[in-house]
Amino acid sequence: DTEVTQTPKHLVMGMTNKKSLKCEQHMGHRAMYWYKQKAKKPPELMFVYSYEKLSINESVPSRFSPECPNSSLLNLHLHALQPEDSALYLCASSRNGLAGELFFGEGSRLTVL
Amino acid sequence: ILNVEQSPQSLHVQEGDSTNFTCSFPSSNFYALHWYRWETAKSPEALFVMTLNGDEKKKGRISATLNTKEGYSYLYIKGSQPEDSATYLCAARGSNYKLTFGKGTLLTVNP
Repeated sequence: DTEVTQTPKHLVMGMTNKKSLKCEQHMGHRAMYWYKQKAKKPPELMFVYSYEKLSINESVPSRFSPECPNSSLLNLHLHALQPEDSALYLCASSRNGLAGELFFGEGSRLTVL
Repeated sequence: ILNVEQSPQSLHVQEGDSTNFTCSFPSSNFYALHWYRWETAKSPEALFVMTLNGDEKKKGRISATLNTKEGYSYLYIKGSQPEDSATYLCAARGSNYKLTFGKGTLLTVNP
């Protein structure tokens, strides 16, 4: 299994809703990432978990809350988002720590109304 | 903070043409350079990871070179095919291990 699976593919939520994005990989990778990508911009790093511990938080607003329940799963909990948070959220994993190539999911397209 | 620049932003070529794009990055605190291919409605897929100055890597018709002293990498596609149409992203990893992406080059290969 060489896939990173993200659910849902599309999510529409209001500014008062609480929702979660999920990411799963079964490749035994020990680092997992959340990136945010807006149209015509490069993917921007949000969070990195290495060996299930939060290693990097790129000063992301607290309305985004990451969680890594185990080495295969990565969640992004969303609460009180703003319309400008609408974007494609990409999850990725890498084999050993923070070096090496990233394996990406197809992304979750989020629209905040 | 790494600033990764890619050019051109977009490119249209005819089937059979060879093409190349550029990625530039700060040469200080450099650790690795990644190239990814991102087809529409799919996930970005790694092409190459390069670390050493003068590195050259090849995968089929696609190859890449790296110059860490002057801070640039070239991606070459020989004999472009319609299935090569995609956005090609480069990303630089600094000594803090963070991977910073460029905006990408959108390649369209016309049959």
